[in-house]
Amino acid sequence: EAGVAQSPRYKIIEKRQSVAFWCNPISGHATLYWYQQILGQGPKLLIQFQNNGVVDDSQLPKDRFSAERLKGVDSTLKIQPAKLEDSAVYLCASSLGGDRGPQHFGDGTRLSIL
Amino acid sequence: AQSVTQPDIHITVSEGASLELRCNYSYGATPYLFWYVQSPGQGLQLLLKYFSGDTLVQGIKGFEAEFKRSQSSFNLRKPSVHWSDAAEYFCAVGPSRGGNKLTFGTGTQLKVEL
Repeated sequence: EAGVAQSPRYKIIEKRQSVAFWCNPISGHATLYWYQQILGQGPKLLIQFQNNGVVDDSQLPKDRFSAERLKGVDSTLKIQPAKLEDSAVYLCASSLGGDRGPQHFGDGTRLSIL
Repeated sequence: AQSVTQPDIHITVSEGASLELRCNYSYGATPYLFWYVQSPGQGLQLLLKYFSGDTLVQGIKGFEAEFKRSQSSFNLRKPSVHWSDAAEYFCAVGPSRGGNKLTFGTGTQLKVEL
């Protein structure tokens, strides 16, 4: 089966600019996650979707980050405006949902803020 | 609150030698434990998981882990390391089989000397 697809793989922007990341989960996976992985740290969950509804966004900096999952499939994560501390790898993961299997991760988008 | 501690930031082993990566967790209920591996520029791949039952679990690539409730540990082991095992390893804990609300450790970077 095809894995979780993410684009772009790399992005360089200046602070205060905006940026968007795209994720296409594994077909049939109801749950989609966005993680932020800062260099030297483990992934931190930003937001979790179940189909097209938000389950958990408690750690999403909502003043600058937003995410949507239209039609319960693809998802977009946006940062506007970006800050230097947003430099990180943004990982998307998906799972069947509930207790029906672990998360499968994409290769991530590496974001550098100048 | 749940937390994961991986006390070793870097570990270097010789090819063919045995490996043990340490993981300690803090969790108020029945923990669901996971080990993931991340190669450079890639997403996380699930190595193995523990839900219940036999405390020694087998995973992919010859890895195994042992759950010790009394020590709140879930250490990862491999009898003979291959050069291709060089990567970063993450331990994670969550409240369900599906891996929802995972909390990751900070990771252990494994270097393999030929």
